[in-house]
Amino acid sequence: NAGVTQTPKFQVLKTGQSMTLQCAQDMNHEYMSWYRQDPGMGLRLIHYSVGAGITDQGEVPNGYNVSRSTTEDFPLRLLSAAPSQTSVYFCASSRGSADTQYFGPGTRLTVL
Amino acid sequence: LAKTTQPISMDSYEGQEVNITCSHNNIATNDYITWYQQFPSQGPRFIIQGYKTKVTNEVASLFIPADRKSSTLSLPRVSLSDTAVYYCLVGAPYSGAGSYQLTFGKGTKLSVIP
Repeated sequence: NAGVTQTPKFQVLKTGQSMTLQCAQDMNHEYMSWYRQDPGMGLRLIHYSVGAGITDQGEVPNGYNVSRSTTEDFPLRLLSAAPSQTSVYFCASSRGSADTQYFGPGTRLTVL
Repeated sequence: LAKTTQPISMDSYEGQEVNITCSHNNIATNDYITWYQQFPSQGPRFIIQGYKTKVTNEVASLFIPADRKSSTLSLPRVSLSDTAVYYCLVGAPYSGAGSYQLTFGKGTKLSVIP
């Protein structure tokens, strides 16, 4: 099993550009989440999904969209990038909502 | 949403036992307590989870008093490779729209000294 994979590893955007961060898992987990981590800070929940076709907002959802068309994939879309979205983004999956979360390696995003 | 409070940093010598305490005064009845470890430039990794009393696995123990308003992660005989940030997480199983709110907080940076 590859676990949770994220692409790209690094990305630089200009203000106003849009892009999609990819996340995939091969563990057949129902629950998937996106977090952002700013320097010296903990992780903050952006959006999450409890199954294909079901998504909901987390703590900091503004400026981000998600969809879950398959169990395996959970892409995160930045609609119009802003410097405040410069961060490291982690995707996670778990079998159940209170079960162990498995994290991907992260995507380091810089918005100029 | 249960808020957690942990020490910002701790130092320990190799071979010592390390105890990191997390306060969660407004923990809800169905909330679990979970600890994660994070190394630089990596995603967090699960360490241990518990609901009450004591839980032990091959890497750590988790002590939870009867009132569940705090919990203590115990790492026996730490080594240099245990230098990392440790997060205490409090949350419940998903029960409907908007209910899945897990907060990592800033964590505790543990530095193990040779």
